[in-house]
Amino acid sequence: GQQLNQSPQSMFIQEGEDVSMNCTSSSIFNTWLWYKQDPGEGPVLLIALYKAGELTSNGRLTAQFGITRKDSFLNISASIPSDVGIYFCAGPPRSGAGSYQLTFGKGTKLSVIP
Amino acid sequence: GAVVSQHPSWVICKSGTSVKIECRSLDFQATTMFWYRQFPKQSLMLMATSNEGSKATYEQGVEKDKFLINHASLTLSTLTVTSAHPEDSSFYICSAGQGGFHNEQFFGPGTRLTVL
Repeated sequence: GQQLNQSPQSMFIQEGEDVSMNCTSSSIFNTWLWYKQDPGEGPVLLIALYKAGELTSNGRLTAQFGITRKDSFLNISASIPSDVGIYFCAGPPRSGAGSYQLTFGKGTKLSVIP
Repeated sequence: GAVVSQHPSWVICKSGTSVKIECRSLDFQATTMFWYRQFPKQSLMLMATSNEGSKATYEQGVEKDKFLINHASLTLSTLTVTSAHPEDSSFYICSAGQGGFHNEQFFGPGTRLTVL
C-alpha cells in the first residue's frame, strides 16, 4: 500500500523561529494536502497542492509540491504559540475524480516555546 | 464554507451498548463521507468510505457488522458502534468530500468515545 513518511516526528522551537517539515511517498501523488490538528479536534485543511512544482502560501505558511511528485514540504515562518499542534500531510493513493481516499503521514508534533 | 459537524462530541457508555455518531456537512452536499479512528498519539486510520445511497466500503480489518455506517442523504452519515467494548474507545472523526478532482476532505471536530 501507499506509504507516507513524514519528518520530523516532533519539533521544539522558540517563538519567532521558522519551521520546516516534509513528507515523502513511495509513489507518485497527484495531490498533496497539509492539515493541522489541535488536541481533541478534527484536522483543518491548511494548504492544498495540485501540480508538481507548485508553491502555495497561506499567511505564514508555505507549501511546495515536489517536482518528482513524491514529496512535499511545509514551512511556517515566524512561529507563534498558536502554531502548536500536529501537522499531517495527506494525499490520495489514486488519481482521478471519484478517488477520494486519503493516506496520512504520521504527523509532526510542533511545540513552540514562548 | 465546507463545514462538517459531528454529534456527539464525546460519549461515555457501558460495555455492550451501542453508540451512534452523526456526521453532517452543513453547507455543501457530500456524495462521499469517510470515517476515521485515531488512537492517542497516532495518525488517522481510515475505517470506511461511505457513499450516499449505497453500502459503505470498509478497510481491511474493520468489522462491518460492528461498525454500521448509513449514508441516507447527501448531508448526513452515521456510524453506529454496536456492542461496544473498552478496546473501541477512541477518537472517531468523519470527513466529507465536495466531489470533483481535487480530493480535498473537510473534517468534523471528532467524537471521543469512552467505553467503560
